[in-house]
Amino acid sequence: EPEVTQTPSHQVTQMGQEVILRCVPISNHLYFYWYRQILGQKVEFLVSFYNNEISEKSEIFDDQFSVERPDGSNFTLKIRSTKLEDSAMYFCASRDYGYTFGSGTRLTVV
Amino acid sequence: TQLLEQSPQFLSIQEGENLTVYCNSSSVFSSLQWYRQEPGEGPVLLVTVVTGGEVKKLKRLTFQFGDARKDSSLHITAAQPGDTGLYLCAGVGLGAGNNRKLIWGLGTSLAVNP
Repeated sequence: EPEVTQTPSHQVTQMGQEVILRCVPISNHLYFYWYRQILGQKVEFLVSFYNNEISEKSEIFDDQFSVERPDGSNFTLKIRSTKLEDSAMYFCASRDYGYTFGSGTRLTVV
Repeated sequence: TQLLEQSPQFLSIQEGENLTVYCNSSSVFSSLQWYRQEPGEGPVLLVTVVTGGEVKKLKRLTFQFGDARKDSSLHITAAQPGDTGLYLCAGVGLGAGNNRKLIWGLGTSLAVNP
């Protein structure tokens, strides 16, 4: 069964450092997403991406965040200057009719 | 702001018991999805309900969408230890358009004891 692949599974970074979270969505899906889940809180929408551009973003997705689909297969989330409160599980998802989520990247900012 | 409230937050039952998890909102959703999430993994889609009053069955799991499309329930019959996990509801709000971003409940952590 097709799956969404995320790397790395865990990332520890120092506050202020840049991180790039990587995702390989399902190849024939058209919509791509990043969600995050802070421990003990609800899953939150960050951004959706369609036709090589951001189609919607949340208030969380400020200027420190960016997304790219550089080569037609990878889909990346970059956080330019990480803060402690960015510590969370970050999930990539792609969609045709239904969503398929990756296993997530656990980001810990210290 | 559209919110989904899920209850109960925690549930611990004995094998063989039945249970129901609820997902409620004051807002109307165009569709509602139920996911199961294992520790360290991403959510896995169980079902999508779209029509008010719709009932879908997945083996021992029964999903219902409220007539007004503001609430949903997940009923598990004769729970087994393998049903243990986190169950999440997520809705697509009206006006979400083609993006269909998901609004999530907090989840129900279910433990089924042998």
